[in-house]
Amino acid sequence: GAVVSQHPSRVICKSGTSVKIECRSLDFQATTMFWYRQFPKQSLMLMATSNEGSKATYEQGVEKDKFLINHASLTLSTLTVTSAHPEDSSFYICSVGSGGRETQYFGPGTRLLVL
Amino acid sequence: DAKTTQPNSMESNEEEPVHLPCNHSTISGTDYIHWYRQLPSQGPEYVIHGLTSNVNNRMASLAIAEDRKSSTLILHRATLRDAAVYYCILRDFISNFGNEKLTFGTGTRLTIIP
Repeated sequence: GAVVSQHPSRVICKSGTSVKIECRSLDFQATTMFWYRQFPKQSLMLMATSNEGSKATYEQGVEKDKFLINHASLTLSTLTVTSAHPEDSSFYICSVGSGGRETQYFGPGTRLLVL
Repeated sequence: DAKTTQPNSMESNEEEPVHLPCNHSTISGTDYIHWYRQLPSQGPEYVIHGLTSNVNNRMASLAIAEDRKSSTLILHRATLRDAAVYYCILRDFISNFGNEKLTFGTGTRLTIIP
């Protein structure tokens, strides 16, 4: 299956700053990547679908101006949390998919703590 | 995608088989049944999937009821490394072709007792 990496694995930042999280598909060209968020003791919630070369599709209730997604190549998607607040502290997970694939491959996650 | 229902938690002794149930009474004819698991502090990983017939792979077996309204993930010999949250997810392959977003429920937290 596809190997997916995320960087950084964990990050601590001050409130009001921006944080960029990278998601890389190491051995598969991904036209579509997904970004999820997971709060402690809760399930994964899809934030947005990242499409290579076009604008991301955001789920209802997710602010597109706060969570900027860039999918500039078939192997890299980035999620930037702008003006981070403590309530943005969460586990952010990306996954790789493409049309017709029956399984989805997830990255190891990035734990964000906003102080 | 149709909804699934799983027990919140289960326990099993190490080296014994584990049967994780999932109910999906509103499943449609084009829904595949997928199982993923999430180990602590990690991203989910694919376990197995099926449509109608029972499926086996190196990780687990998937038993699907004849009416497809329920399924069971079977871990044949649980180890401590199998302690995780197991998610049963339905994916309509036809309508979701090219858009494979997954809708995660609360899953079953499996605890393995040494």
